[in-house]
Parts: sequence; C-alpha cells; structure tokens
Amino acid sequence: EAGVTQFPSHSVIEKGQTVTLRCDPISGHDNLYWYRRVMGKEIKFLLHFVKESKQDESGMPNNRFLAERTGGTYSTLKVQPAELEDSGVYFCASSLAGTPPTNEKLFFGSGTQLSVL
Amino acid sequence: AQSVTQPDIHITVSEGASLELRCNYSYGATPYLFWYVQSPGQGLQLLLKYFSGDTLVQGIKGFEAEFKRSQSSFNLRKPSVHWSDAAEYFCAVGPFSGGYNKLIFGAGTRLAVHP
Repeated sequence: EAGVTQFPSHSVIEKGQTVTLRCDPISGHDNLYWYRRVMGKEIKFLLHFVKESKQDESGMPNNRFLAERTGGTYSTLKVQPAELEDSGVYFCASSLAGTPPTNEKLFFGSGTQLSVL
Repeated sequence: AQSVTQPDIHITVSEGASLELRCNYSYGATPYLFWYVQSPGQGLQLLLKYFSGDTLVQGIKGFEAEFKRSQSSFNLRKPSVHWSDAAEYFCAVGPFSGGYNKLIFGAGTRLAVHP
C-alpha cells in the first residue's frame, strides 16, 4: 500500500514567486492535515480537511496561503507570494476516522523542504 | 498556553547504551501524548501513544514512555540503542481546540548513535 506522497521533495524559489505543494494521501483516507516546521523549530498545525471540506484552518499563517482538496483526494498548498519566513518543511498527513477517535492514526509524508531566497 | 518542551536538541549515545529523551508539556486538560520519529528521508512515524490507564506505555522498535502527571512529563526510553535508531524524535500532545489529530509538537531531539 502506498503511503502519503508529497511533491516536490525540495523547492527553491525567490521571494515573491508562487509555489504549489502537493499531497497525495493514502487512498480512502478522508482526513488530511497540513503541518509545517520552520527553522528547525516545532512542527505546527496548519489545517485539516475532511474529504473536500476545510474542517479547521486556524493554523494558516495568513492569506498568502491557500489550501485546496478538490474531489476529496489529493490536496495542494499554494503560497503566493512567497516570503522568506515561509521557508521550512511542509508535512502532509492523512488518516481514517477512528472508532473510537483514539484509534485514529496519522500517516505522515516525508515533507516538502521549501527554501525562499 | 499549551506547549511541549524537549530540552535536548541533540543527544549522542553509543550503540548498546540506554537512552532517555525528555519531554515536558503544558496542557490544560488531560493530555493525549505521543512520540513520533523521523528517520532521514522518511515521514514521521508513530512510536507510541498514551491516552489513559497504565502510565508506562510500550511502543514499536523497543521503545517505551512513562507518563508522570505530577511532573508533566512523558519521557521516552530504550534500554539498548541500535545504530538504526539515529533519527529525530518528536513529542506531541493533543488534541487541542478540537480535532483529534490537531497536535502540538515539541521542537524535536536529534539522536546520533556512535558505533
């Protein structure tokens, strides 16, 4: 079974450019999460999809970030325009709803390393 | 404020030695606690989790962790480290503000293993 796949693995762009990160969750996983780790610090929650709906986007830093999950399958995270402080590793994770919820298990992708110069 | 502190940024141990990685949390309610590991080029993998019951939790790869409410700690241990354990380890607490897998992570501890 394929795991969570993220593209690209690395991206180097200049300040002001646009970058789109993609996440393919495990097939059949309704829950999809985006997390970010900046400058080797804590990994922080960005947002949560349930199928194609944004369940919670309280962690999105600002309106330069746009996440979509059309059709409830893969998700994209666009940063436009990118700023220096957006550099970091962007992780995607997916899960099946658990019964009870404590059975829910997150599967993480290996992340996209974004460098904004 | 809810937070997770991993006091050690880097730890180096010799293969076969015991290991303890520290984790302290600040959380307003009964926490759910997790340890994840990230090996080079891989995604984060769940090592173990604590929800309730026995405060000593067994995980994969021979790891265990002990929840100590009085100390707000959830330290990870392994009696004998293998070279393949070299990785970065993250402690996490959740859920916060709803959402079961909305986790608060620590900054991670990078483990190096000497032969």
